[in-house]
Amino acid sequence: DAKTTQPPSMDCAEGRAANLPCNHSTISGNEYVYWYRQIHSQGPQYIIHGLKNNETNEMASLIITEDRKSSTLILPHATLRDTAVYYCILDTLSNYKLTFGKGTLLTVNP
Amino acid sequence: KAGVTQTPRYLIKTRGQQVTLSCSPISGHRSVSWYQQTPGQGLQFLFEYFSETQRNKGNFPGRFSGRQFSNSRSEMNVSTLELGDSALYLCASSLRTQKGEKLFFGSGTQLSVL
Repeated sequence: DAKTTQPPSMDCAEGRAANLPCNHSTISGNEYVYWYRQIHSQGPQYIIHGLKNNETNEMASLIITEDRKSSTLILPHATLRDTAVYYCILDTLSNYKLTFGKGTLLTVNP
Repeated sequence: KAGVTQTPRYLIKTRGQQVTLSCSPISGHRSVSWYQQTPGQGLQFLFEYFSETQRNKGNFPGRFSGRQFSNSRSEMNVSTLELGDSALYLCASSLRTQKGEKLFFGSGTQLSVL
């Protein structure tokens, strides 16, 4: 079973920031927080990952709380093409697999 | 760089048949993993290969098997197909660095078992 909890769905207006929460209260010290997204009928796409510090790349920002029990993925200016299922995943890099949960369906509205 | 290539894109088989799916990873990537996606069960891990060795296997029956070749290309085989094997089969290749590991997924093979 996935060790993360995400809301099943969220809506966001185009051009606004999308903030997707993820709870991982039982996270271990060596587990990274990964975010992937899956646009309909495509394979999942890597977005960002982090261990303790906040991270930013060209796609998004990842904010991890100090106790590491939750995180937020931020898409700063959502577009219609960001409509997808977003998965928050914990990974230790030692099992050579990802355990996907149900994710959050983000719908960006015009 | 070319992405992960999976062939075929669509496949229709009948119960009892077998099927082989192919995956070509991104050049330089040595790890290849396979996932099954169904509406009911979501994305589930099948197996992972690195340098022709299976390092991890998911909770699937022995009808599901895979292999990796010396050029890192991988195949998965499903024998004695059942209706419940209808799914999108996704392959991913990855490269591990000091900063972590990112998986790059192909577009998948949509298998329909009739």
